[in-house]
Amino acid sequence: GQQLNQSPQSMFIQEGEDVSMNCTSSSIFNTWLWYKQDPGEGPVLLIALYKAGELTSNGRLTAQFGITRKDSFLNISASIPSDVGIYFCAGQISGTYKYIFGTGTRLKVLA
Amino acid sequence: NAGVTQTPKFRVLKTGQSMTLLCAQDMNHEYMYWYRQDPGMGLRLIHYSVGEGTTAKGEVPDGYNVSRLKKQNFLLGLESAAPSQTSVYFCASSTTETQAFFGQGTRLTVV
Repeated sequence: GQQLNQSPQSMFIQEGEDVSMNCTSSSIFNTWLWYKQDPGEGPVLLIALYKAGELTSNGRLTAQFGITRKDSFLNISASIPSDVGIYFCAGQISGTYKYIFGTGTRLKVLA
Repeated sequence: NAGVTQTPKFRVLKTGQSMTLLCAQDMNHEYMYWYRQDPGMGLRLIHYSVGEGTTAKGEVPDGYNVSRLKKQNFLLGLESAAPSQTSVYFCASSTTETQAFFGQGTRLTVV
């Protein structure tokens, strides 16, 4: 099945550091989404991107919709312990109502 | 303000047993989805629905059936459970203007 390539798979960082992760696809998407999942919970939306080249922020989080429409990036600045979790990208396939998810980036923040 | 509610939250089945997972949303969303989440695999789309009375196959539909008799409900059925169906199942809903909102998940173990 189609999946997005998300990297890195996991990250261990010190509190206060910045974090970057990305997703790439061979397909064009018309929407990119970034979710965070805490243990035992469902994914919760962080940022939604709807136009190629769009750069959107949500507090310490910034995400970009790649100009080719085949990639997206998420940055977290000045990480804190509660940033721990799994971050997923998701793309909405053009012309459909289906969302395809990346394999996730597991983030651990060391105090 | 319930959003997306999944029942049950946990279930243990014996191989060959059947069961139905229920998803209910109170946001009047047109689209509903069932995903499964396995370690290292991210979220994979099982089936989805673009409206009441309609269903479509996702990436991994084999062994599952779905029904959308009412707009607010999306049922996922396992006719004859297999150990390979041990997973965490997530339901989500969306509209054309909004991103997918997820339920809390159902943890299913097939022994």
